[in-house]
Amino acid sequence: DQQVKQNSPSLSVQEGRISILNCDYTNSMFDYFLWYKKYPAEGPTFLISISSIKDKNEDGRFTVFLNKSAKHLSLHIVPSQPGDSAVYFCAAGESGTYKYIFGTGTRLKVLA
Amino acid sequence: EAGVAQSPRYKIIEKRQSVAFWCNPISGHATLYWYQQILGQGPKLLIQFQNNGVVDDSQLPKDRFSAERLKGVDSTLKIQPAKLEDSAVYLCASSLDPTPRAFFGQGTRLTVV
Repeated sequence: DQQVKQNSPSLSVQEGRISILNCDYTNSMFDYFLWYKKYPAEGPTFLISISSIKDKNEDGRFTVFLNKSAKHLSLHIVPSQPGDSAVYFCAAGESGTYKYIFGTGTRLKVLA
Repeated sequence: EAGVAQSPRYKIIEKRQSVAFWCNPISGHATLYWYQQILGQGPKLLIQFQNNGVVDDSQLPKDRFSAERLKGVDSTLKIQPAKLEDSAVYLCASSLDPTPRAFFGQGTRLTVV
């Protein structure tokens, strides 16, 4: 039973355009969500997070949107840059437990 | 600030052999995690330590996997005996409570042949 799903294994976007990565979850107890970025041969690095008390969090070019009723979150990257090419994982869990379930990842390729 | 250190980076062993991975978390981070990432999948939590106590090991195959965190700092993850399906990247991560943001090491890529 996959509690966190990223249904798009890959995404290609032109440089300068918007990248939208999606994530769905099934567990209604989840109240904290994170996005990680992973380059080849490196460990994931934290990108941005959001708690369920908010529906949007922004950090520079990165914005995460949370739709609790739909159990859906998305990561927007504007404008996309070639250096953003990586695998993006969303993770969800209950705050306070520090136990997070990861999705399967979406490989983003930003074309110059 | 030094990151999470893991060794070795790569390991190839035959099935039924044993293997151990080492992790040194970021100084001061009380929480330490071991994840298994099989090719094409997201990281799966194997075990979570708070200082030197186990918080969650519900997904650790305890018949073959073991982990310890002595003195609440370094940690080792052992597999004995290894199976073909254990081929994966083993990631160590640490976090500074109470934030849920975890810092990951580069991982150890294990190939069981």
